[in-house]
Amino acid sequence: GQQLNQSPQSMFIQEGEDVSMNCTSSSIFNTWLWYKQDPGEGPVLLIALYKAGELTSNGRLTAQFGITRKDSFLNISASIPSDVGIYFCAGQLASNTGKLIFGQGTTLQVKP
Amino acid sequence: EAGVAQSPRYKIIEKRQSVAFWCNPISGHATLYWYQQILGQGPKLLIQFQNNGVVDDSQLPKDRFSAERLKGVDSTLKIQPAKLEDSAVYLCASREDRVVSEAFFGQGTRLTVV
Repeated sequence: GQQLNQSPQSMFIQEGEDVSMNCTSSSIFNTWLWYKQDPGEGPVLLIALYKAGELTSNGRLTAQFGITRKDSFLNISASIPSDVGIYFCAGQLASNTGKLIFGQGTTLQVKP
Repeated sequence: EAGVAQSPRYKIIEKRQSVAFWCNPISGHATLYWYQQILGQGPKLLIQFQNNGVVDDSQLPKDRFSAERLKGVDSTLKIQPAKLEDSAVYLCASREDRVVSEAFFGQGTRLTVV
């Protein structure tokens, strides 16, 4: 079945450092979404990408929709302690159903 | 704008019992998803509705799981009978009926089967 490979699985960084994570797949997507999930909560949407090659920023977050439509990355600049959490990529398949599938998540820990 | 509402937030049941979860999507959102998230993993799609019709239920364990969205608005997900491995967070999400649109999630229901 369709699968998203997200990496790295976890990161432990110092406050102020930049962070990068990515997702790849063999399937083609027409939308990429990046979510953050805090413990005990549902995923919260951070950034949505709709076109191949699109680069979008939201504050200290920047994400890109890969030109092949099979991958995406998320960068966080100047990390702060509240960035701690699990980050998920999600891709909406380029099909009639619009099936939305998720990566395995990247756990981010920030040391003050 | 109100978000996706789910209830209950937590549920503890014994194996072989039944349980039901409820979801009220964002008003006007035609697409509704139910996901299962096991601890330490990403959400796994169980079923996707478009209005009151099922679009994808290929990963729904139909021998024990069922879901309905009778009037194209609220939805319920039921497990009968529950197994220990059903312990997870059950997330509901909704999305507008456009080719490209964002999916928004509820807070989820944490199910523990003992």
